[in-house]
Amino acid sequence: QVQLQESGPGLVKPSETLSLTCTVSGGSISSSYWSWIRQPPGKGLEWIGYIYYSGRTNYNPSLKSRVTISVDTSKNQFSLKLSSVTAADTAVYYCATSITGTTLHYWGQGTLVTVSS
Amino acid sequence: DIQMTQSPSSLSASVGDRVTITCRASQSISSFLNWYQQKPGKAPKLLIYTASSLQSGVPSRFSGSGSGTDFTLTISSLQPGDFATYYCQQSYSTPPTFGGGTKVEIK
Repeated sequence: QVQLQESGPGLVKPSETLSLTCTVSGGSISSSYWSWIRQPPGKGLEWIGYIYYSGRTNYNPSLKSRVTISVDTSKNQFSLKLSSVTAADTAVYYCATSITGTTLHYWGQGTLVTVSS
Repeated sequence: DIQMTQSPSSLSASVGDRVTITCRASQSISSFLNWYQQKPGKAPKLLIYTASSLQSGVPSRFSGSGSGTDFTLTISSLQPGDFATYYCQQSYSTPPTFGGGTKVEIK
């Protein structure tokens, strides 16, 4: 069974860029869809976007202007960049994999990112 | 975006109880409805996909039904490990959207 692990800074300053990486083990990233989802503390889930292993992306329109998702097949990793962050971007960020793109079969454990000066 | 509305937002139940959670979509999503379970401090876990298909390894006491706009998640006999928050999610169109969650607590 594929396993995912998020990594990156836990604290980002306002107006800066949030950068996270998801490392995939137990399977190849050269198949399936690879997604990012976030959850503000005590709140619900918001889908950020996905990348297909070929590089094709699909982003949530609410975040599209600030989001970039990329894949590095040589490292079996994919990444999230979210620019111009504010306190509203404080959340636990999850990476996940999907066969279909929109059903999220396996998730990483999540990483809390706080936006604060 | 398709809006997903869950009810109730929370419920209290006892071990052994039958529990039903409902989810309504703002437009028809056919059977493109998934259910997830989330325990405190943990990632969501896929329980049911396409409305009624049980994900591998999920106990058979969990079942899902519905199509179009109205869906149901049923736990036939609540077990101690089932106390958690449950989310529905539509996978009919992007962006996929989630319901607000139903927290199942111990009575």
